[in-house]
Amino acid sequence: QKEVEQDPGPLSVPEGAIVSLNCTYSNSAFQYFMWYRQYSRKGPELLMYTYSSGNKEDGRFTAQVDKSSKYISLFIRDSQPSDSATYLCAMSFSGGGADGLTFGKGTHLIIQP
Amino acid sequence: KAGVTQTPRYLIKTRGQQVTLSCSPISGHRSVSWYQQTPGQGLQFLFEYFSETQRNKGNFPGRFSGRQFSNSRSEMNVSTLELGDSALYLCASSTTGTSGNTIYFGEGSWLTVV
Repeated sequence: QKEVEQDPGPLSVPEGAIVSLNCTYSNSAFQYFMWYRQYSRKGPELLMYTYSSGNKEDGRFTAQVDKSSKYISLFIRDSQPSDSATYLCAMSFSGGGADGLTFGKGTHLIIQP
Repeated sequence: KAGVTQTPRYLIKTRGQQVTLSCSPISGHRSVSWYQQTPGQGLQFLFEYFSETQRNKGNFPGRFSGRQFSNSRSEMNVSTLELGDSALYLCASSTTGTSGNTIYFGEGSWLTVV
């Protein structure tokens, strides 16, 4: 069993739809959870950063963490064609990077105009 | 504020050669970490440096090494290149690498081994 599972997609939705992206993980010691967006041939761009369980909202993006279920989600409202990218979930024990981030393999998202 | 800068962006090497990649972190960031990204394995942690000391290392062979300089700039080296080392190598920086620090990535160095 991999430490972090993420459906690779592709996930194709029409413009304006609400997108739901998810990851499950096996190590209950993870405390910090992140979502990155990666465009083709570019580096990952940090979207959301959360600690422990709960919700966090930033503009059109909402991140949810359910540590009891070992499940994290990213919701994108009013999706735009420019949101088409690969979305990577990441998690760590300490949150700062010293212990390394553990990534899912990413979900390829396509927003159809 | 400038982001994480990596050089070179693209390079092609021959099996058996070695390669050195460079990373300049965001100004004020002292923690630098390196990752390898391949289609098969995704993003995998290589190592992390803070104040010129390696604090943590991922599960990679000893052919992969790195160092950090007093100005926080970092280099990673891969010796005796293998075809499987073809990947995007990403550098990331954060303030101190400790709890609560957010981690920012550079654009990466694309390495092709032929």
